[in-house]
Amino acid sequence: EAQVTQNPRYLITVTGKKLTVTCSQNMNHEYMSWYRQDPGLGLRQIYYSMNVEVTDKGDVPEGYKVSRKEKRNFPLILESPSPNQTSLYFCARGWGATYEQYFGPGTRLTVT
Amino acid sequence: DQQVKQNSPSLSVQEGRISILNCDYTNSMFDYFLWYKKYPAEGPTFLISISSIKDKNEDGRFTVFLNKSAKHLSLHIVPSQPGDSAVYFCAASTTGNTPLVFGKGTRLSVIA
Repeated sequence: EAQVTQNPRYLITVTGKKLTVTCSQNMNHEYMSWYRQDPGLGLRQIYYSMNVEVTDKGDVPEGYKVSRKEKRNFPLILESPSPNQTSLYFCARGWGATYEQYFGPGTRLTVT
Repeated sequence: DQQVKQNSPSLSVQEGRISILNCDYTNSMFDYFLWYKKYPAEGPTFLISISSIKDKNEDGRFTVFLNKSAKHLSLHIVPSQPGDSAVYFCAASTTGNTPLVFGKGTRLSVIA
């Protein structure tokens, strides 16, 4: 079964404590991306990756980092989380940026 | 500057009737359009797409219409069912591997 796996699903942390949200896919898709969903703002792209070692900023990259060392994994790193990063985060995979993307189940992050 | 707009935050429809969700876009370079459905506590799921070379695409109860001159697309759900109650996102992209741009979503409630 084609899947996008995110961990953890829920996380409560404090300001400034570095955290990583993992994302893994089992379809060998080249394209992966991260989004955040906030009330009234819809889905906004944080970072995306066209392939291994190829990453680029989306619409709201500030305060986030990513890496793509292997095709299946695309972790999202918050070096110093702040309360405005409290959000619902989704990882997605696809054959390319332009077409259908398939989303993971989401990670709800709360930064206090 | 919002390139993809869903101007109705919410919509209520009676079971069995037609649901019409609307989406407007400003970027005339967009040539591929998608609709996603999202239930609470789940990631968005791809529903249906349409290329700019078409003006209609149908998949079961779901039909997407594209009016390029008006830069407008719509999703019709006939007949609407309670299980269709979800948030619907419109998205658009241009060929050349550019990332999807999402609207803010419309919450559809289908009342039994």
